[in-house]
Amino acid sequence: SAVISQKPSRDICQRGTSLTIQCQVDSQVTMMFWYRQQPGQSLTLIATANQGSEATYESGFVIDKFPISRPNLTFSTLTVSNMSPEDSSIYLCSFRRTASTDTQYFGPGTRLTVL
Amino acid sequence: GNSVTQMEGPVTLSEEAFLTINCTYTATGYPSLFWYVQYPGEGLQLLLKATKADDKGSNKGFEATYRKETTSFHLEKGSVQVSDSAVYFCALSARKTSYDKVIFGPGTSLSVIP
Repeated sequence: SAVISQKPSRDICQRGTSLTIQCQVDSQVTMMFWYRQQPGQSLTLIATANQGSEATYESGFVIDKFPISRPNLTFSTLTVSNMSPEDSSIYLCSFRRTASTDTQYFGPGTRLTVL
Repeated sequence: GNSVTQMEGPVTLSEEAFLTINCTYTATGYPSLFWYVQYPGEGLQLLLKATKADDKGSNKGFEATYRKETTSFHLEKGSVQVSDSAVYFCALSARKTSYDKVIFGPGTSLSVIP
């Protein structure tokens, strides 16, 4: 199976700043996803990022706050903009090989703390 | 709408004890069902899955059977080890437009003590 990595693994940021998280998969995949996992909580899907099209955001998440790029079939970025302490979470990148496969694989996550 | 419910944790067991983590779901159609595991400080790993009724998924001594009549997918292991300490997420894959959206349960934290 493909290896998926994220950078940075963790960061501590000041309120009002932005952080871009990178996700790299070592083979081409069709669908990539970004999730948020708040402390002690389950995963919430932020958006789906498919190459060549704009990201599709879930209810409660907007592009201005969480802009996403998907420049090719192995890479995606998520930016957390104008951060507040409520954005402190683990952000997880995930992928599926194709739209018709049902199994998702996850990166190790980026642990973000906003002061 | 589609949803997943899991037994509340945390669950604490002694090594070699029998483990059951209950999971029930609500979904239209025939979703695929999954168990993911998250070890401390790590991302999620797929533990096992089942794609149709009466299928049994198994991996690393864990198993779960897709029970459509009871809409359940309970996770079991006959003898847990300290290394099994983690958070376990039950999930289902439900079709959303052109692909299957994965919906996660709240997670169940398991601690295994020597």
